[in-house]
Amino acid sequence: GAGVSQSPRYKVAKRGQDVALRCDPISGHVSLFWYQQALGQGPEFLTYFQNEAQLDKSGLPSDRFFAERPEGSVSTLKIQRTQQEDSAVYLCASSLEGGHSNQPQHFGDGTRLSIL
Amino acid sequence: DAKTTQPNSMESNEEEPVHLPCNHSTISGTDYIHWYRQLPSQGPEYVIHGLTSNVNNRMASLAIAEDRKSSTLILHRATLRDAAVYYCTETLNSGGSNYKLTFGKGTLLTVNP
Repeated sequence: GAGVSQSPRYKVAKRGQDVALRCDPISGHVSLFWYQQALGQGPEFLTYFQNEAQLDKSGLPSDRFFAERPEGSVSTLKIQRTQQEDSAVYLCASSLEGGHSNQPQHFGDGTRLSIL
Repeated sequence: DAKTTQPNSMESNEEEPVHLPCNHSTISGTDYIHWYRQLPSQGPEYVIHGLTSNVNNRMASLAIAEDRKSSTLILHRATLRDAAVYYCTETLNSGGSNYKLTFGKGTLLTVNP
């Protein structure tokens, strides 16, 4: 079956522009996660949804970052007034159920964001 | 947040076993240990996870220390396709039902032909 799909794969924006990154999780997956991965580092947690509810946004770096999942499936991560330090790979992951630490997460291939 | 500790890099020869170590000394009693691997320009791929007992699947084996403060991922016969960055992660309950993964820098595994 189809895995987690992210678009666009690459995004180049000028500093100060707004960007929107899309994630299509595996159909039927309850949990959805966003991670940020800087070059040479492991992914860092940004935010978590269980269905349409955003239960944890503790990893969002600033109020310029906003995520939504209005119908409990597709999710969008929006970054307003982008800055150079926002340049990174943004990864989306989904898992079948919510609330269980024994659930594997399935990752998309990410969106590589470059801010000029 | 709790972070795991792994060697920066390891090297193996094709067809030989590989043992990738990880320390997770601050793991709580109910959090699972997960392993993922990542190829360049791809997202992390799930490998295996466990709580207390050793685990086996088609990709690898996971040996967990009795005190749960360390674990070892075992690739029984390394192939060139196993060359990747391997992450040992903990699931961190940040309140409620969220079990986010906490990644370290991972181990870059090189497999020589």
